[in-house]
Amino acid sequence: AQSVTQLDSQVPVFEEAPVELRCNYSSSVSVYLFWYVQYPNQGLQLLLKYLSGSTLVKGINGFEAEFNKSQTSFPLRKPSVHISDTAEYFCAVSDLTGSARQLTFGSGTQLTVLP
Amino acid sequence: NAGVTQTPKFQVLKTGQSMTLQCAQDMNHNSMYWYRQDPGMGLRLIYYSASEGTTDKGEVPNGYNVSRLNKREFSLRLESAAPSQTSVYFCASSAPTGTNEKLFFGSGTQLSVL
Repeated sequence: AQSVTQLDSQVPVFEEAPVELRCNYSSSVSVYLFWYVQYPNQGLQLLLKYLSGSTLVKGINGFEAEFNKSQTSFPLRKPSVHISDTAEYFCAVSDLTGSARQLTFGSGTQLTVLP
Repeated sequence: NAGVTQTPKFQVLKTGQSMTLQCAQDMNHNSMYWYRQDPGMGLRLIYYSASEGTTDKGEVPNGYNVSRLNKREFSLRLESAAPSQTSVYFCASSAPTGTNEKLFFGSGTQLSVL
């Protein structure tokens, strides 16, 4: 079984500032890692994923995340945020079957970008 | 493209009432899912259907039933609603993309049980 911890439930940040959203996972087996974004009144959509290879993965809208196996972390970063990045961000983990029904979601981090 | 469509968007029920949440996808996906989203708890899988005619329990199936009516449609039924079922419900479908499956979500149903 795996679990995901998102330590920050809310992150306010000013426009054009950098942001990092924390994510730690726990698993007894190797995992795939994901970040999903949920804009207001919408369903979740995939932002980026780590399956294998380079530990730095780039996603849509200028976001990137870096897999750190020793620290079991997968933080999401953006060097300069925009008002439109205001949304809830979910980290998720699955085993290597890759099956969507094995996905475990974190509790989410609400990112609010302030003008 | 419509993608995954859920109805209704909002619903208020009294304790003990029943209702069915409808979901349809037009992407010809085999697998479909129902999740609930509660504050501070992320998304939890209620039921899923790997293919037409099959359904399986997820993490929190108690109090719910599902029907995979055909390849497009996957409904979620609350037979006797309870306040603990107040939540936002998301339907999703998935498609294989190499080594994993990508989820496509509907826009959600906000359900309040009084």
